[in-house]
Amino acid sequence: AQSVTQPDIHITVSEGASLELRCNYSYGATPYLFWYVQSPGQGLQLLLKYFSGDTLVQGIKGFEAEFKRSQSSFNLRKPSVHWSDAAEYFCAVDPDSGGGADGLTFGKGTHLIIQP
Amino acid sequence: EAGVAQSPRYKIIEKRQSVAFWCNPISGHATLYWYQQILGQGPKLLIQFQNNGVVDDSQLPKDRFSAERLKGVDSTLKIQPAKLEDSAVYLCASSLDMGQAGRGELFFGEGSRLTVL
Repeated sequence: AQSVTQPDIHITVSEGASLELRCNYSYGATPYLFWYVQSPGQGLQLLLKYFSGDTLVQGIKGFEAEFKRSQSSFNLRKPSVHWSDAAEYFCAVDPDSGGGADGLTFGKGTHLIIQP
Repeated sequence: EAGVAQSPRYKIIEKRQSVAFWCNPISGHATLYWYQQILGQGPKLLIQFQNNGVVDDSQLPKDRFSAERLKGVDSTLKIQPAKLEDSAVYLCASSLDMGQAGRGELFFGEGSRLTVL
């Protein structure tokens, strides 16, 4: 069965520093890949997605992610974090199982803490 | 544009009682999802509707959970009887387009937090 692994439960980064959140997936083919953010008191919001083509994808809020097929990874990056980036980040996959079902499988999330 | 609306935001019940959650998706969104998010975990898909038909309910515990989407708009998720392990946040999401362009772009509500005592 497909799965998504986010190895880091918590990450602490200083404001202005760069950020990389890790995501690995386990699936035979290349699934559709996503990053979502869940801020306190708010619903999950899509940051970016990868379907095919250019392996470096740009998203909202200055985030980007790189798909590496050889490593089955889809890591999220940001060159300079802001205090408002403190949130829970979820990597997700859609295995494209067909039949119209496109429900996402989410990782357990990484809690990002921003130090002043 | 109004977002996905859910109610109630919080609910506390005793085990073996029943509870219902309501979701109103973004206007025009044909696809509606219910997810369960247990503390410390990512959301888990319970059921997906396309208009008023069920597309995927493979992870819905059908002995106690039920969901319906009358007229292809609002949806209700019911749990009867509730167990302690049902304590979670129940998230509703909707999406506009099941084509590739919109695939995976879900709009989530703030969720309904259930505590079962």
